[in-house]
Amino acid sequence: DTGVSQDPRHKITKRGQNVTFRCDPISEHNRLYWYRQTLGQGPEFLTYFQNEAQLEKSRLLSDRFSAERPKGSFSTLEIQRTEQGDSAMYLCASSTNLVRLAGHEQYFGPGTRLTVT
Amino acid sequence: KQEVTQIPAALSVPEGENLVLNCSFTDSAIYNLQWFRQDPGKGLTSLLLIQSSQREQTSGRLNASLDKSSGRSTLYIAASQPGDSATYLCAVRTDFGNEKLTFGTGTRLTIIP
Repeated sequence: DTGVSQDPRHKITKRGQNVTFRCDPISEHNRLYWYRQTLGQGPEFLTYFQNEAQLEKSRLLSDRFSAERPKGSFSTLEIQRTEQGDSAMYLCASSTNLVRLAGHEQYFGPGTRLTVT
Repeated sequence: KQEVTQIPAALSVPEGENLVLNCSFTDSAIYNLQWFRQDPGKGLTSLLLIQSSQREQTSGRLNASLDKSSGRSTLYIAASQPGDSATYLCAVRTDFGNEKLTFGTGTRLTIIP
């Protein structure tokens, strides 16, 4: 499968614990995005990378959240000291700005569903 | 601040009917607009992407139109099938330097066999 993959698909954790999610984008896609979706809502933008550089962060991304893309390939999203309000689906997407490949269309992974108890 | 609205929130139609889903946005200075499908508990599947210079895009039984000046897009689904049942989301990218997508809350579509 050459689509966007995310791991794990589901995570249950206790309040106060740290969690880390991984996203593997479509190969050759230089842009990677993280979104968060709560029940009944559309996804909300968190942050995005072009190659290894984190170029934009939403105000939704509090100090407890950190994202990395160390080699410009896969990315990790870490949440420290989780709170019940962090329970959501965390979605990763990728795209490319190389015109010959796609017109900036974002392709999404299956998501990681986080439940904080 | 860009805001995206999708009405209705839910729609049920008998199998075989043609239907239209609506999306409106407040800032007409968009770079592109994407329509997605989301099945319960799953990620998003991209259906159609319309660049700001385009008026419509077609893929199979799906046709999406864009009217930037009025801040509206529609997704037309022909000859609906039970497998079309899902939540449909539209999202806009506001301008070239801004990479994020702003999503509506979606329309939950149910096709009745």
